[in-house]
Amino acid sequence: NAGVTQTPKFQVLKTGQSMTLQCAQDMNHNSMYWYRQDPGMGLRLIYYSASEGTTDKGEVPNGYNVSRLNKREFSLRLESAAPSQTSVYFCASQATGGLSNTGELFFGEGSRLTVL
Amino acid sequence: AQSVTQPDIHITVSEGASLELRCNYSYGATPYLFWYVQSPGQGLQLLLKYFSGDTLVQGIKGFEAEFKRSQSSFNLRKPSVHWSDAAEYFCAVGAWKRNYQLIWGAGTKLIIKP
Repeated sequence: NAGVTQTPKFQVLKTGQSMTLQCAQDMNHNSMYWYRQDPGMGLRLIYYSASEGTTDKGEVPNGYNVSRLNKREFSLRLESAAPSQTSVYFCASQATGGLSNTGELFFGEGSRLTVL
Repeated sequence: AQSVTQPDIHITVSEGASLELRCNYSYGATPYLFWYVQSPGQGLQLLLKYFSGDTLVQGIKGFEAEFKRSQSSFNLRKPSVHWSDAAEYFCAVGAWKRNYQLIWGAGTKLIIKP
């Protein structure tokens, strides 16, 4: 059972470099999310995708872009990394629709990014 | 506006003692409520959820939570904690904004004393 898979798990960047975090889910979920987690601040939503082909901004979208490549994959791109983007990034997926669905999120194990 | 408050940033409990983690929410309709646990260096795992019916819900690892509408609370409890319960615990409420989303509390870090 793979669930939600994120790559890479660790990354160190220099200021101004770019990179893409990859996320894939094998649960046929419609919705996918990118969060960042910083000490004392809980989870903050960066972007989400309610369905294939759609994306929307969350609380903290500045400095990030996303692509919902297909139903399985949702990538997060940092075009020009800044030290303020040092964080742990989590991808999550969610089944939506149906009377019994309560909107539970399934999380990947996280990607730890350091920007020097 | 919808919000979730976890008043305790840290809680320290002796191994074998009982535990209660507090969660208060603000939401206009009947909420869907969740507790997640995050072990060090890991992702978040669902402990339990409430969406209707019995207000006392049982979860994994011996945890339970009680929904109290009058108090807008969904506190997490465990009768006897184990050292392996040391983790961070997050409460969340499901809410409709432009789409259905989870609104998160800031988390409570549980420290277990031997």
